Amino acid sequence: GENVEQHPSTLSVQEGDSAVIKCTYSDSASNYFPWYKQELGKGPQLIIDIRSNVGEKKDQRIAVTLNKTAKHFSLHITETQPEDSAVYFCAACLNTNAGKSTFGDGTTLTVKP
Amino acid sequence: DTGVSQNPRHKITKRGQNVTFRCDPISEHNRLYWYRQTLGQGPEFLTYFQNEAQLEKSRLLSDRFSAERPKGSFSTLEIQRTEQGDSAMYLCASSLVGGPETQYFGPGTRLLVL
Repeated sequence: GENVEQHPSTLSVQEGDSAVIKCTYSDSASNYFPWYKQELGKGPQLIIDIRSNVGEKKDQRIAVTLNKTAKHFSLHITETQPEDSAVYFCAACLNTNAGKSTFGDGTTLTVKP
Repeated sequence: DTGVSQNPRHKITKRGQNVTFRCDPISEHNRLYWYRQTLGQGPEFLTYFQNEAQLEKSRLLSDRFSAERPKGSFSTLEIQRTEQGDSAMYLCASSLVGGPETQYFGPGTRLLVL
């Protein structure tokens, strides 16, 4: 089955700096890659996603890049703010018919004011 | 609020007891997923439904676990004869087949087995 590895497990940055989180996946058939933000005591919330037919997607301060050949994808957060502090998860999914997502183990991001 | 809701939010039980959790998905969503999350890890897939049909179950779902979605709307997850290793956050998510694949998660039910 699919295996997703996520690095780093913890990341501390100064407010205003950029943060980058990287994930690799094993199943070349995966074609949908969402990123989730999870705050304490809450369920994961989707922040951005990318499909395998594009290499990059951006939404304000957040961007995701995908390298299908190398089977890795990354989350980029620019101009970080203290409210960005949370646990971030990447996931890899087959197409809709398969349904389930395989998650990485998460990155705890701390943005210091 | 039209998001995914889960009840109860917290459950403390003694080993050997049965527990049942409920998930109400976003109303128009026809897929519903259950995940389990332990501390420091990402959610792990347990099972999912399309309408009332249970289409896949993970090996993590032992015989003590059963999930239902009788009318294709809300779902229940029951754990029989709970064990301390069942302590975790149980997350429910829903999505729309034919629409974006995005899974929307509920707030989870945190289970503690003493």
